[in-house]
Amino acid sequence: QKEVEQNSGPLSVPEGAIASLNCTYSDRVSQSFFWYRQYSGKSPELIMSIYSNGDKEDGRFTAQLNKASQYVSLLIRDSQPSDSATYLCAVVLSGGSYIPTFGRGTSLIVHP
Amino acid sequence: GAVVSQHPSRVICKSGTSVKIECRSLDFQATTMFWYRQFPKKSLMLMATSNEGSKATYEQGVEKDKFLINHASLTLSTLTVTSAHPEDSSFYICSAGRDTYNEQFFGPGTRLTVL
Repeated sequence: QKEVEQNSGPLSVPEGAIASLNCTYSDRVSQSFFWYRQYSGKSPELIMSIYSNGDKEDGRFTAQLNKASQYVSLLIRDSQPSDSATYLCAVVLSGGSYIPTFGRGTSLIVHP
Repeated sequence: GAVVSQHPSRVICKSGTSVKIECRSLDFQATTMFWYRQFPKKSLMLMATSNEGSKATYEQGVEKDKFLINHASLTLSTLTVTSAHPEDSSFYICSAGRDTYNEQFFGPGTRLTVL
């Protein structure tokens, strides 16, 4: 059974700090990994995708993938109150029908 | 970027009526589109996967006769909620898949309220 696990939070960090969000997955043949941000009452927005081991940076966001340990993380540097949202991790298997499995999401609160 | 539109954004209808929701990928061709439902403060729930030109694949527990999905072209999928009832009130979100990178892009969602 495919599973994607996230701590539901809330994770509370002060403005300017680094927020670290973690996600573990159960299926070893997973090949594509995504982070989505969802504001309350809105639909998810793709913010990062990562496909190979290591780090991928995009602005204040860094995604980290470790396939051997089956985890993917998202770091948000210089956190801002506008980053307060729910962050969803999604995983897609290789050779499949591209149906992603979503985690339940981690609620992030950045307080001034 | 990859843009997905959804229409209408909000609909209020009477119990027993049918509601159609359109999902369009505006700047790319989407072989696969997904339909989700989300209740307040709950996780996304995948309802069905649709591929252009073929029948949709519904998740367990989703009534295919109640939630009709048509994926008529590579840029358009529709979800029709037939004979809607108050318990169908929810936030319905579509997404379109860009196969090259397995990425999914979500539409803005449709908030359905059935009175």
